[in-house]
Amino acid sequence: DAGVTQSPTHLIKTRGQHVTLRCSPISGHKSVSWYQQVLGQGPQFIFQYYEKEERGRGNFPDRFSARQFPNYSSELNVNALLLGDSALYLCASRIIPRNQETQYFGPGTRLLVL
Amino acid sequence: DAKTTQPNSMESNEEEPVHLPCNHSTISGTDYIHWYRQLPSQGPEYVIHGLTSNVNNRMASLAIAEDRKSSTLILHRATLRDAAVYYCILIQSGTASKLTFGTGTRLQVTL
Repeated sequence: DAGVTQSPTHLIKTRGQHVTLRCSPISGHKSVSWYQQVLGQGPQFIFQYYEKEERGRGNFPDRFSARQFPNYSSELNVNALLLGDSALYLCASRIIPRNQETQYFGPGTRLLVL
Repeated sequence: DAKTTQPNSMESNEEEPVHLPCNHSTISGTDYIHWYRQLPSQGPEYVIHGLTSNVNNRMASLAIAEDRKSSTLILHRATLRDAAVYYCILIQSGTASKLTFGTGTRLQVTL
């Protein structure tokens, strides 16, 4: 079975632009979460979606938004990019968002903002 | 968010057991203890989780203190492929079951 897939794998943008990152969860998984990992730090929670509804949001500005589609895939959008948005963006999926449920991570999208 | 404390780094010889400690003195009764690891240039990977009792799986064992204020991830025979950053994470009720990563423990495995 395919794992979590993310596209693109790498991306270079300039300040002020916007970016859309995509995630396809494992088949049968209905919950998707997004994390940002800046170089040298652990991943930071951005959003969680379940059944197409936002179920959690981390401490990120409104420039960050996301949505989940009927097939449970998800998009993360970032507007007005800043240099500090350069990071690895990780998507994780799980069957349902329960505390004991394992999250499966994709390989990430590496975003560089110049 | 409940806080965990881990050593920044540890070293092990290949094929030796490794004990990775984690302190979580503010843990509450319903918090699950999860361990994930991140190999270089990859996304985090689930290792093991538990609530109160010790747990074993094919990757590792998790020993949870009786008062639940600390836990230890045990790799029974470290290999070079186990070199990674290991994160101890508490998942709290009512937090959307999000993973709150700390800085983790960087494990180096040498021949």
